[in-house]
Amino acid sequence: DIQMTQSPSSLSASVGDRVTITCRASQNIRTYLNWYQQRPGKAPKLLISAASSLQGGVPSRFSGSGSGTEFTLTISSLQPEDFATYFCQQSYTLPWTFGQGTQVEIK
Amino acid sequence: EVQLLESGGGLVQPGGSLRLSCAASGFSFSSFVMSWVRQAPGKGLEWVSHITPTGGSTYYLDSVKGRFTISRDNSKNTLHLQMNSLRADDTALYYCARVDLLVVVAGKVPDFDSWGQGTLVTVSS
Repeated sequence: DIQMTQSPSSLSASVGDRVTITCRASQNIRTYLNWYQQRPGKAPKLLISAASSLQGGVPSRFSGSGSGTEFTLTISSLQPEDFATYFCQQSYTLPWTFGQGTQVEIK
Repeated sequence: EVQLLESGGGLVQPGGSLRLSCAASGFSFSSFVMSWVRQAPGKGLEWVSHITPTGGSTYYLDSVKGRFTISRDNSKNTLHLQMNSLRADDTALYYCARVDLLVVVAGKVPDFDSWGQGTLVTVSS
């Protein structure tokens, strides 16, 4: 199985900060990488697919990049509604697997 | 608007069975791959199973293979997950999710583009 490792596991940031989350795959997954946001008590929400394609309705402050084994999710200017947990997920091969999550907290 | 509404969760003893359902609306259900994803309390997300649009092909996480069966009824826009021989480590919130395929240069990248609110399965004596 492909292991997905996110870093950091948690971070504290202030409104307006630039935030970067890294996701590493245990083998080459090309750009078969998706990012999700999960607010407390809510279902996950798709933010970015295929490493860099922003889902419709998602604010442009979110961006994704990378290919192969290393990927990043960047929030250019953190907003109050962005405090949540973020997960990466590979869909290159079964079983589709997720990273352990990165919790973004208010500083 | 895409809506996915799960039901059927509950408390069950180890070795017991449950059948989860997901009622879909707001899209052409029979055109999409559908999936179940679970989340143990306070933990991360885990893909469990998915089924192709006609139901002709199904895929499972190794740890549920032989115990869980995914199925769909396209005439009723409903997805099911029959769970047998349940174990304590099956305890989780089970989400129904639609799988979309984003066409890129490299191919078609599957993603979970819509999710239900989940139904809680607790396996305990």
